[in-house]
Amino acid sequence: ETGVTQTPRHLVMGMTNKKSLKCEQHLGHNAMYWYKQSAKKPLELMFVYSLEERVENNSVPSRFSPECPNSSHLFLHLHTLQPEDSALYLCASSPGAKRAGNTIYFGEGSWLTVV
Amino acid sequence: RKEVEQDPGPFNVPEGATVAFNCTYSNSASQSFFWYRQDCRKEPKLLMSVYSSGNEDGRFTAQLNRASQYISLLIRDSKLSDSATYLCVVVRTGANNLFFGTGTRLTVIP
Repeated sequence: ETGVTQTPRHLVMGMTNKKSLKCEQHLGHNAMYWYKQSAKKPLELMFVYSLEERVENNSVPSRFSPECPNSSHLFLHLHTLQPEDSALYLCASSPGAKRAGNTIYFGEGSWLTVV
Repeated sequence: RKEVEQDPGPFNVPEGATVAFNCTYSNSASQSFFWYRQDCRKEPKLLMSVYSSGNEDGRFTAQLNRASQYISLLIRDSKLSDSATYLCVVVRTGANNLFFGTGTRLTVIP
């Protein structure tokens, strides 16, 4: 059983749709992350939240909109996506965004296909 | 220069072989180091931390060389179930402080 749960596990959406990915962590961590992993590419950090405040945004297109209502929940709102946004979206959490010895734990991921 | 660099492989080795992966990092202020394992179409999972003195967990040995700025993972007596992608992670203080390598693909062949 993972301490980080993501829903939905699979999502197919049209380019005009609006959908959201949800992540919940049960580890008592203070930092949460969204990563994108495309086929045969390394993990790309999208957003980092620490104690519900966004501390990092790696110039992600505005069609991706994160929301962190509390330290246990993280959302990624999706709208007007492009086919090249199809990827595995991984949520993760860690004890803190700025701490040494920071071990990161991943959810099982949400497979997104944009058609 | 990338924060973390790994040989992407693939490494194809027979069962029972010993295989080693290296990962280099560019920032000498890096403080913590980890190896993660990612199976096909699954999320990365923590395999082991890497300590300055080196550490071992069964068939897996991790080492850190701060002078040369690299970490290594040694797998002895490879099993078919070891087939996966191995990611190194380097951590330092500050925002966005986790840096992933691109991963090294290992396939253990019967």
